[in-house]
Amino acid sequence: GENVEQHPSTLSVQEGDSAVIKCTYSDSASNYFPWYKQELGKRPQLIIDIRSNVGEKKDQRIAVTLNKTAKHFSLHITETQPEDSAVYFCAASSGQLIWGAGTKLIIKP
Amino acid sequence: EAEVAQSPRYKITEKSQAVAFWCDPISGHATLYWYRQILGQGPELLVQFQDESVVDDSQLPKDRFSAERLKGVDSTLKIQPAELGDSAMYLCASSLGSGLYNEQFFGPGTRLTVL
Repeated sequence: GENVEQHPSTLSVQEGDSAVIKCTYSDSASNYFPWYKQELGKRPQLIIDIRSNVGEKKDQRIAVTLNKTAKHFSLHITETQPEDSAVYFCAASSGQLIWGAGTKLIIKP
Repeated sequence: EAEVAQSPRYKITEKSQAVAFWCDPISGHATLYWYRQILGQGPELLVQFQDESVVDDSQLPKDRFSAERLKGVDSTLKIQPAELGDSAMYLCASSLGSGLYNEQFFGPGTRLTVL
């Protein structure tokens, strides 16, 4: 069946540095790719998404890139801050969202 | 700001018992989802409703799980009998419609522990 792989499972970066999380998907029909952030004990919330007709999208310190040929997409966070600490999930959809396993991002002061 | 409500937030039960979870979506949201999230994994869709109709329950273990959304508003997910492997977070989400680009809004979840 459809599958989304997400790497790394844990990422620790120094405050102020950049963080990159990568996902690959198996269903070539996928054309919507959202990213959700889940802080400890809280609900997942959408932070950014990208559609298949776009290669890159940016919103302040976060950006997402998509390579449909290679079937992978990435989340980039620049100038990381303590409040960026959370679990980040990627997902891919051609109708139903298929989720990655999540990346725990730790921002070191 | 409107949010998805879920109750209870925590549930501890013994195996073979019945449990039920409740979800109230954001007003006006026609599509409702139930997910199961095992610790360290992403959410897995159990069932999707469009109004009161089930549109996808392919991943729902129908021998023990049931879900309903009788009036097309709030929804109940039931497990009977509960098994040890059912311990997980059960998340409810809603969206305006079932279209591909509709953002899903999540509730706080119900953490189930089966002893």
